[in-house]
Amino acid sequence: GAVVSQHPSRVICKSGTSVKIECRSLDFQATTMFWYRQFPKKSLMLMATSNEGSKATYEQGVEKDKFLINHASLTLSTLTVTSAHPEDSSFYICSAPGQRDYNEQFFGPGTRLTVL
Amino acid sequence: GQNIDQPTEMTATEGAIVQINCTYQTSGFNGLFWYQQHAGEAPTFLSYNVLDGLEEKGRFSSFLSRSKGYSYLLLKELQMKDSASYLCAVSDSNYQLIWGAGTKLIIKP
Repeated sequence: GAVVSQHPSRVICKSGTSVKIECRSLDFQATTMFWYRQFPKKSLMLMATSNEGSKATYEQGVEKDKFLINHASLTLSTLTVTSAHPEDSSFYICSAPGQRDYNEQFFGPGTRLTVL
Repeated sequence: GQNIDQPTEMTATEGAIVQINCTYQTSGFNGLFWYQQHAGEAPTFLSYNVLDGLEEKGRFSSFLSRSKGYSYLLLKELQMKDSASYLCAVSDSNYQLIWGAGTKLIIKP
């Protein structure tokens, strides 16, 4: 199956700093990638849809100026959490749809962000 | 609104069978997914149903009834490694995945 990587897997930062999370499709091209966040024991929440060559589409309630998304190439999307606060601490997961079946999602391993 | 319901937690015995139910109400339907998620890890794909009926894949089977807005995931010959959360997700009319909160499955020896 398709492989999606994320970097870093864990990050601890101070309040007010910015953190960049990379999501890469390793053996396929992804014109679309999805960014989710997940709080403990809660469902995955879609934050935004990242589109190569165009602006990301943000879900209602997600601040686009705080969560900057850049889909720089067909294999790379980045999520930057700007001016991070402790409430931004969460598990961030990216995914990309399959090439054969758009409905199938391939997930990255996730990034655990802790803001002190 | 859109809603996915599944039990919060279930307990089963190693070697037994367990059925995890999922009911949904969504705007449109383009398929239902089951994912397995171990603590601290990303979900991994288990199954996809778009037509009514049972899909069998090894020890795991998934059933769908579109008229009832209902699905279940059946796990047979349970192993300790099956202890995880099982997420039900529905693809709506915009192909957006609507996620359930997950069912934490605890396997006891």
